[in-house]
Amino acid sequence: QSVLTQPPSASGTPGQRVTFSCSGSNSNIGSDTVNWYQQLPGTAPKLLIYSNDQRPSGVPARFSGSKSGTSASLAISGLQSEDEADYYCAAWDASLNGRIFGTGTKVTVL
Amino acid sequence: EVQLLESGGGLVQPGGSLRLSCAASGFTFSSYAMSWVRQAPGKGLEWVSTISASVSGGKTYYAASVKGRFSISRDTSTNNLYLQMNSLRVEDTAIYYCAPPDLPAPIPWGQGTLVTVSS
Repeated sequence: QSVLTQPPSASGTPGQRVTFSCSGSNSNIGSDTVNWYQQLPGTAPKLLIYSNDQRPSGVPARFSGSKSGTSASLAISGLQSEDEADYYCAAWDASLNGRIFGTGTKVTVL
Repeated sequence: EVQLLESGGGLVQPGGSLRLSCAASGFTFSSYAMSWVRQAPGKGLEWVSTISASVSGGKTYYAASVKGRFSISRDTSTNNLYLQMNSLRVEDTAIYYCAPPDLPAPIPWGQGTLVTVSS
């Protein structure tokens, strides 16, 4: 059972900035770092952000992450058509003693 | 080349067993925790299990939904990760991904292997 809550959808026009959240609790986001994954249609997930705000090599600078308290956010600046995908946050949960994923946010480029 | 290649999926009846494999290459497999993550048709990602790095004792962790039925293991001599799945249920139907550690130089996820539990 997932306990990281994300909005089901987000959208924007090309070039816009889109931001969406990942809400958790003290036992997960409040006590661990957050990673974000991008899943393009029909493909495997890809690491987008690790340790709250770090971009792996090869990830464009228009993707950025942040964390405050028990919530995290992902921002996409200069939205592009190829950014249409599902996005998931993830963190370790100390109470469950396991990893949990967010409910996922589907980004649509209008 | 850095890659993960899953295999072993297929069609199995409820109550049956299946063993998934993940062949790792291009990185120091024994140095990192590895996980299995699944995705039911049309649904989100669900963490299944993690095994810690060998230097950390190879500790294992399981989601409540699979604890007691699934077993994760690794063979560092062949760089393979395994998931033994017993007492399979219809709700275990999903694509199973071998999930790499989250590193600054990222390791691509494998393509996944489909497990279908149906009579």
